[in-house]
Amino acid sequence: QSVLTQPPSVSAAPGQKVTISCSGSSSNIGNKYVSWYQQIPGTAPKLLIYDNNKRPSGIPDRFSGSKSGTSATLGITGLQTGDEANYYCGAWDTSLSASVFGTGTKVTVL
Amino acid sequence: QVQLLESGPGLVKPSQTLSLTCTVAGDFITSGNYCWNWIRQHPGKGLEWIGYIHSSGSTYNSPPLKSRLTISADTSKNQFSLKLNSVTAADSAVYYCARARDSSGYYDYNFDFWGQGILVTVPS
Repeated sequence: QSVLTQPPSVSAAPGQKVTISCSGSSSNIGNKYVSWYQQIPGTAPKLLIYDNNKRPSGIPDRFSGSKSGTSATLGITGLQTGDEANYYCGAWDTSLSASVFGTGTKVTVL
Repeated sequence: QVQLLESGPGLVKPSQTLSLTCTVAGDFITSGNYCWNWIRQHPGKGLEWIGYIHSSGSTYNSPPLKSRLTISADTSKNQFSLKLNSVTAADSAVYYCARARDSSGYYDYNFDFWGQGILVTVPS
């Protein structure tokens, strides 16, 4: 059972913006860095954002991350058909002593 | 570029031991401040962290799996492995190996390189 809660799905037209929320608690997001992963069906997850808001080399600036309190948000601007995927947040949970992931959000480009 | 590749049997009988190996190219599992992880994904579900072996050789396992789990490394082959005992159908999943870096030194991990995953089925 995931301790980080995400909306099951979000959608928008090409070129538009979507935001994905990730809700946790003081034992994870509230005191730890958040990372975000993109998983295209049938493939391995790919790191999009780390340390709340940093992008690895090669990740376009259309992807952004932020954190406030016990919640984090992933933003995707200029939505493209290639962005259709499942997105997961992740963080360490100090109570569980484990890395935890969010429930996942499916992004659909209309 | 770091590459990871999982290998092992795709079918394991109930009550037996699931054994997987991750072969790493482009980095040494003993160098740097990295953790070498196992993560699984049940069909149609989210990601579940299993555990890791640190470049120092120390291990850290997910509490729910700890009693059944062993993670080890063969540094001569630049590989690390997972052994999960007494498997049931609930252990059927795609298993990924992944490298993680601790950004702060206080368990702030991000998984920057992943293997392609291997499907393991335990029949019920």
